[in-house]
Formats: sequence, C-alpha cells, structure tokens
Amino acid sequence: AQSVTQLDSHVSVSEGTPVLLRCNYSSSYSPSLFWYVQHPNKGLQLLLKYTSAATLVKGINGFEAEFKKSETSFHLTKPSAHMSDAAEYFCVVSDRAGGGADGLTFGKGTHLIIQP
Amino acid sequence: DGGITQSPKYLFRKEGQNVTLSCEQNLNHDAMYWYRQDPGQGLRLIYYSQIVNDFQKGDIAEGYSVSREKKESFPLTVTSAQKNPTAFYLCASRSTGYIEAFFGQGTRLTVV
Repeated sequence: AQSVTQLDSHVSVSEGTPVLLRCNYSSSYSPSLFWYVQHPNKGLQLLLKYTSAATLVKGINGFEAEFKKSETSFHLTKPSAHMSDAAEYFCVVSDRAGGGADGLTFGKGTHLIIQP
Repeated sequence: DGGITQSPKYLFRKEGQNVTLSCEQNLNHDAMYWYRQDPGQGLRLIYYSQIVNDFQKGDIAEGYSVSREKKESFPLTVTSAQKNPTAFYLCASRSTGYIEAFFGQGTRLTVV
C-alpha cells in the first residue's frame, strides 16, 4: 500500500522569499512521485515528476523537488515566490506505471498564500 | 491541441434529478478517471476505466454511474441517490506509456 502526507495544509510566504512545501510518502515499491498545482476552479497541472532518474527534479515556473529515499520525502521548493504561485499544491505517489486506479495516491493538498 | 475537455464548467441540479458530466480526451489514452474534490479533502476516486466497455468502482462510487462506449469519452452521471453531490468534479486520463495523469478543467456541480 502507498500513502502520501502533506505536512502543511496552509503555507504563507512573502513575495520574493523562498517556498517550501513538504511531502512524505510511503510505498512498497520504488515509487514515482509528482507535484501538481491547481489554481481556483481549474484542473490540476503537472509541475514536475520523479521517475527514478536524477533525485533533484526541476519543473516548470522555477519549482524543483528533491527525492530523498532515506527520509521518504519529496519536498517542493522555489527560491523566490511570485504572486502567481498562489494556488493549491498536491503531492502524488505512484508505485507503477500505466493505468489502474490504485496506481495514484493523492495528498490532501497544501494551500500556498503569497503575501505582497 | 491534445487534451481533456470537461463540460459544462458549471452545472446546477435540482433535488431528485440525474445529471451527466461530460469528459472527452483526444490524447489516445487508455485509462480514464473521475475524481470528486471537496475543500480540505484532496481528490477522491469515483470510477475509473482502463479499457473501452469496462470500468471499476473507486472509493466513493455510490450514487454515481459511468459508461465507456468509446475510448475518448467517459461520461459521469450523478444520480438522485447521491445525497450530497455539490462538489468540484475532475476527469483525468493516463496512458500505459506515461505514468502521470492529465486532468481536465473540472465541472462545478451545485444542488439548488
């Protein structure tokens, strides 16, 4: 069985300061991990994915995440927050490729607030 | 452009009515999914389909029904048996060649 825990339901940072969104996972297999972003009343957009290649993964809009197997973590970071980063972020784990509902497990989301 | 299209964007349902949410994809993906999203609860799986003419219940299938007559289409019907249908509904698809899922823009359903 696999699970995902997003450690913060809300994170508030000032514009121009670093962003850290925390995600821990558990998986019986070598997992693939994803971060998605959701703006209000929109679908989910893939930010980045880890698929057992480089442990430091770069995504869109300046985000990156580091896969740490020893800590079972996949935290999302960005050096400098922008107002447009305000959104809901989801950490997702998959322990196999392709179809099948139990291939994807979603965290409950972290709401990122950017203070001007 | 390839993608997933959900319609309508907003939908209102009266008590006791069935309503159908549309989901169409032109990505040639085999698997399609319906999720329900409520504030603070993340995404919960309603139904999924890995192949045409076959589908499986997810975690919260009661009060919902689906069909998969064509590869590109996976409509969701919210029946009168669903007692609390007000939510944001997301459709997704996935290919055996890709591990990530691709999402539509969602349908917000409100009971009036």
